[in-house]
Amino acid sequence: DGGITQSPKYLFRKEGQNVTLSCEQNLNHDAMYWYRQDPGQGLRLIYYSQIVNDFQKGDIAEGYSVSREKKESFPLTVTSAQKNPTAFYLCASSIVGNTEAFFGQGTRLTVV
Amino acid sequence: GQQVMQIPQYQHVQEGEDFTTYCNSSTTLSNIQWYKQRPGGHPVFLIQLVKSGEVKKQKRLTFQFGEAKKNSSLHITATQTTDVGTYFCAGWGGSTLGRLYFGRGTQLTVWP
Repeated sequence: DGGITQSPKYLFRKEGQNVTLSCEQNLNHDAMYWYRQDPGQGLRLIYYSQIVNDFQKGDIAEGYSVSREKKESFPLTVTSAQKNPTAFYLCASSIVGNTEAFFGQGTRLTVV
Repeated sequence: GQQVMQIPQYQHVQEGEDFTTYCNSSTTLSNIQWYKQRPGGHPVFLIQLVKSGEVKKQKRLTFQFGEAKKNSSLHITATQTTDVGTYFCAGWGGSTLGRLYFGRGTQLTVWP
């Protein structure tokens, strides 16, 4: 089955620890995205990548880092510098420009 | 920078009533997309509009793209409890190519 997979679905971490969220797609899409969603909020773009080994900051990149070493994978690291990391994180992929985005199931991160 | 604004943020209706959400962009969009996110789920693509003035229908849902390609609307006729969720508009284009701009979404509650 083609699709986009995020793991894990739920993640708990202690404050001050870095944590990496996984996102893998087998849709052969060039573009991948990370969004953050808080309760009652829309989708805020953290980082996006249009091609392997290249990525751009979105609107709320501070405290986050990404890598794009493979076309299929776009992991997001939530660093200890992120002041309020508890949120629902969504990964998406698409053919670049003018096409629909496919979303993963999301990872709900809780930092205590 | 580019912004996609969506209103209202929340809408509560009685089952059988109609519902409309509106989307406005600060710049001309190459297309507009609509997504639905069920409670606890991830956004799922509904439709894409490309042409100026385009109108598309999916059963009880009617989607419109403005003549200037800067605004759009989603209208649901005779809402049902299965329509509950958050509806997002999103558009490609603007100052940064390869980036999909999402509105904040309209959270629809349907009372039986």
